[in-house]
Amino acid sequence: GQQVMQIPQYQHVQEGEDFTTYCNSSTTLSNIQWYKQRPGGHPVFLIQLVKSGEVKKQKRLTFQFGEAKKNSSLHITATQTTDVGTYFCAGASWGSNYQLIWGAGTKLIIKP
Amino acid sequence: ETGVTQTPRHLVMGMTNKKSLKCEQHLGHNAMYWYKQSAKKPLELMFVYSLEERVENNSVPSRFSPECPNSSHLFLHLHTLQPEDSALYLCASSQDRTTNEKLFFGSGTQLSVL
Repeated sequence: GQQVMQIPQYQHVQEGEDFTTYCNSSTTLSNIQWYKQRPGGHPVFLIQLVKSGEVKKQKRLTFQFGEAKKNSSLHITATQTTDVGTYFCAGASWGSNYQLIWGAGTKLIIKP
Repeated sequence: ETGVTQTPRHLVMGMTNKKSLKCEQHLGHNAMYWYKQSAKKPLELMFVYSLEERVENNSVPSRFSPECPNSSHLFLHLHTLQPEDSALYLCASSQDRTTNEKLFFGSGTQLSVL
């Protein structure tokens, strides 16, 4: 079946260091969404990418959608304690019958 | 506050109990969803309702029974659950049932089955 692989599972960083999470799909996607889930919280929508090669920025967060629309990344510059949480990608393809296919998430941990 | 309210926040139940989870959305959306979230696994879509009609049932065991009396309310009735059903159950809504629409999640019900 269709899968979205997300790596790494965890990333430990010092505050101020950068963070990146990657998603790879087994099929071409029509769009990809990113969500953030704070510890003890629920997923909150961050952004949607639709176009091949699209790059979008939200302050220190940069989202990219690959040229082939099969991979995506989220990069956070100079992490802050407020960035702690798990970041999920969720992709949609024309064959997925309107279902989002979720990655397993990358947990961002700030080292004390 | 996302506009999607779930109750209860926490639930502990025995395997012979019957309980219900409730979700209400105040966003005027047409689609509502139940997801199961287990540690280290992707979110699992359980049920989708569009305009109160169930359109997806992802091979969920019959011990989970959804109900959508109107477009603002969604229930998940639970009976004779197993310990492996312990998880965070998330309700979500979207404007329509397409993959272009972002999801708004409730705070979830943390379920423990003893």
